[in-house]
Parts: sequence; structure tokens; C-alpha cells
Amino acid sequence: GNSVTQMEGPVTLSEEAFLTINCTYTATGYPSLFWYVQYPGEGLQLLLKATKADDKGSNKGFEATYRKETTSFHLEKGSVQVSDSAVYFCALADPLSGYSTLTFGKGTMLLVSP
Amino acid sequence: EAQVTQNPRYLITVTGKKLTVTCSQNMNHEYMSWYRQDPGLGLRQIYYSMNVEVTDKGDVPEGYKVSRKEKRNFPLILESPSPNQTSLYFCASSGGGPRSPLHFGNGTRLTVT
Repeated sequence: GNSVTQMEGPVTLSEEAFLTINCTYTATGYPSLFWYVQYPGEGLQLLLKATKADDKGSNKGFEATYRKETTSFHLEKGSVQVSDSAVYFCALADPLSGYSTLTFGKGTMLLVSP
Repeated sequence: EAQVTQNPRYLITVTGKKLTVTCSQNMNHEYMSWYRQDPGLGLRQIYYSMNVEVTDKGDVPEGYKVSRKEKRNFPLILESPSPNQTSLYFCASSGGGPRSPLHFGNGTRLTVT
């Protein structure tokens, strides 16, 4: 079956530090990949996505590149802010399941201090 | 404003007392889904619906029911809640299935004693 593995958190950084959150996946087809973010007390919001190999998704200074050869979709940001503190979820949608379901990783909490 | 609305936000109940968590979206989305979020387990899908009168099981459907009589509403029903259903529940919708951005509600925190 499909699965998504993320690095465990929390990830604790100082403001302006470089961020990497690792994500690897297992899928039977060629999935679409996503990063969602959850701020305290809220639901998840789509941060970025990529639908095919070598695509780069980007939004709000965050980037992730779909690497088929390493089955990875690592999230990066060059300079984090306190307001980036949240839980980040990597997810995939598999065409072999008709794109009917989204498989999430367990989430990685990011804490950014001033 | 485009949104997914869940009610209630917080619910405390006792074992065996039937309850319904409502979910409504105003974006005319065909796809709707329910997830539960638990510490260390992330989000797991309970049920989803591709359209009116079309529902299917997700990864953890046991103990839950859903219905989709109208496009905008997708209630989650717990016929006989148990303590292991204590969790944070999210409803989500999208216009093109999960490849399209999922719009999430703000969650319902359920405690079953």
C-alpha cells in the first residue's frame, strides 16, 4: 500500500535559519505530492504541490522538488520566521486508487524562536 | 467566503450515546472526506464521498457512518461512541478530488468518556 514517512519532530530553529523537513514515500503508481501546513487551532491548508517527476512546488518561500529516483519530496525554506511555527504534513494522492484518497505522513512540528 | 464549516468545535459525550458531527461546504465541491487526527498517527481517512449518494470507506471506517444526501453536507455519525474514538476530527472538500487542494474545516475535538 501507499505510505508517507516524515522526519520526526519537533524541529527547533532560530529565526532566519535554513529549514529542511524530509519526506519519502511509497506508492504503486506515480503519485501527486503535497505539503500541507496546520497552524495551531486550525485545519490544514495546502502549502505546495507537485504532480510529476522533477516538478518543483513553491509557495511563501517554501520549496519542494518531486524526486522520483529517491522517492522523496523534501520541504525547504531558506530563512524561517516565527510565523512559520506550525505542523507540516507531507501527503500523496495515488492515481491507481483513482486519486480518491490522500495518504498523509504523521506530521512534523516546527518551532521557530526569535 | 469559501469555507468548510464543522459543528460543534468541541464535544464531550459518554460511551454509547449517538452523536452527529455536521460538515457543510459552500464551494459546490463534489469531493468530501472525513479524517481523524491522533498524536503520533497523523491524519487517517475515515470515509470519503466522490459525489451525492456516493460514499466509500477510508482507512479507519469502523464505528462510523456517513451520508451524502446533498452536495454541500457530509455529516459524520457515531452510532455508539467509544473512548477510542476520542480524537480531533476534520472534514475536507475539494473540487477535483484529492489532487486538487483540499479545503479543511477547523476541526471538532471529541471526547468520549
